[in-house]
Amino acid sequence: DVQMTQSPSSLSASVGERVTITCRASQNINTRLNWYQQRPGKAPRLLIHGASTLHSGVPSRFSGRGSGTDFTLTISSLQPEDLATYYCQQTYRMPLIFGGGTKVEIK
Amino acid sequence: EVKLVESGGAVVPPGGSLRLTCAASGFTFGDYTMYWVRQVPGKGLEWVSLITSDALSSFYEDSVKGRFTISRDNNKDSLFLQMSSLRTDDTAIYFCAKDLSRAYTGYDLDYWGQGTLVTVSS
Repeated sequence: DVQMTQSPSSLSASVGERVTITCRASQNINTRLNWYQQRPGKAPRLLIHGASTLHSGVPSRFSGRGSGTDFTLTISSLQPEDLATYYCQQTYRMPLIFGGGTKVEIK
Repeated sequence: EVKLVESGGAVVPPGGSLRLTCAASGFTFGDYTMYWVRQVPGKGLEWVSLITSDALSSFYEDSVKGRFTISRDNNKDSLFLQMSSLRTDDTAIYFCAKDLSRAYTGYDLDYWGQGTLVTVSS
């Protein structure tokens, strides 16, 4: 199985600050990496697929980079509505594995 | 508007069975691979199963193989998860989700339902 490790597990940042979350795969997954946002009490929402393609309707302050084993999700200017837990997911092979999540809090 | 609505969650004793349903609307259901993903409240996401658009292929996470069965009715725009031999560690919110890509399986889950809670407890 391809294991996914996210860091940090939580972070606190101010509105307007730049935030970066990292996801590392246990083996080369090319660009087969998605990012999801889950706001409190809500269903997950696809933010980025294929490591860097912004999903329809997602604000441009979100961006994704990486290939191989190391990936990042960046929020260029944190907004209050970005309070959420963010998950990466590998789509390289079955079973589909999600990272453990990064909880983003607003200072 | 794409809508996925799960139902069927309940409290069930260990060893029991349950059938979850996901009612889909707002898209051509029969064109998309569908998924079940679960989440223990307060914990992370765990993929459970997927079924291709034509229902010819299905896949399962190891811990549910042989106990859970995914199916779909493309005439009724519905996805199902038959769960048997339930264990306490199956307790979770179960979400259904659709694939981003039409007619092939990309493993990208672009729309999710709100989930239904399954509690396995005596």
